Amino acid sequence: GAGVSQSPSNKVTEKGKDVELRCDPISGHTALYWYRQSLGQGLEFLIYFQGNSAPDKSGLPSDRFSAERTGGSVSTLTIQRTQQEDSAVYLCASSSLTGGRVTEAFFGQGTRLTVV
Amino acid sequence: AQKVTQAQTEISVVEKEDVTLDCVYETRDTTYYLFWYKQPPSGELVFLIRRNSFDEQNEISGRYSWNFQKSTSSFNFTITASQVVDSAVYFCALSVNSGYALNFGKGTSLLVTP
Repeated sequence: GAGVSQSPSNKVTEKGKDVELRCDPISGHTALYWYRQSLGQGLEFLIYFQGNSAPDKSGLPSDRFSAERTGGSVSTLTIQRTQQEDSAVYLCASSSLTGGRVTEAFFGQGTRLTVV
Repeated sequence: AQKVTQAQTEISVVEKEDVTLDCVYETRDTTYYLFWYKQPPSGELVFLIRRNSFDEQNEISGRYSWNFQKSTSSFNFTITASQVVDSAVYFCALSVNSGYALNFGKGTSLLVTP
């Protein structure tokens, strides 16, 4: 597709359930990011994938959070045993490297997760 | 460690006023990249500009201009003759070659009233 696509756009889940959020990056982009934005707050970095390198997981808030990127393209963010404080908009972005230089990241519309 | 500070939480101006959004960054890397993003009420983050650490030229794009000063570690954003459609949250971000992840400031909420 032309842009970063995230699904679902909205997700309501019960506390304690697992959820999976999907991100389709822009074709050809080697870098993929996940961020979390709580209501009225800034963007909290979660995880970063770059090509075949080991992902930077330094932003994951707990071991309930994990992410995979299959085939260097689609990524899935999984939250196990969801808690109410996990409620937020989860944003995915992708970017490319040109001549070894970071280019701008393009963001998807986000998945709004509500844990009830 | 990298850090981006946007000290202005909220700014309110009247249409046609000029407004400057401040961004101060911290990094020990000599090669880094600075970005500004706009997040309108619709929620989607829109890329505005990228600036490399080795290029201190200021940039103007229509009513938008950016002032990059390494001496003060600042990358300020000015909107000239603001319009209601400029109302949004604006984020400054930093990326370094050694890490790549975008480090965002907390954002400045700009409200432009008629």
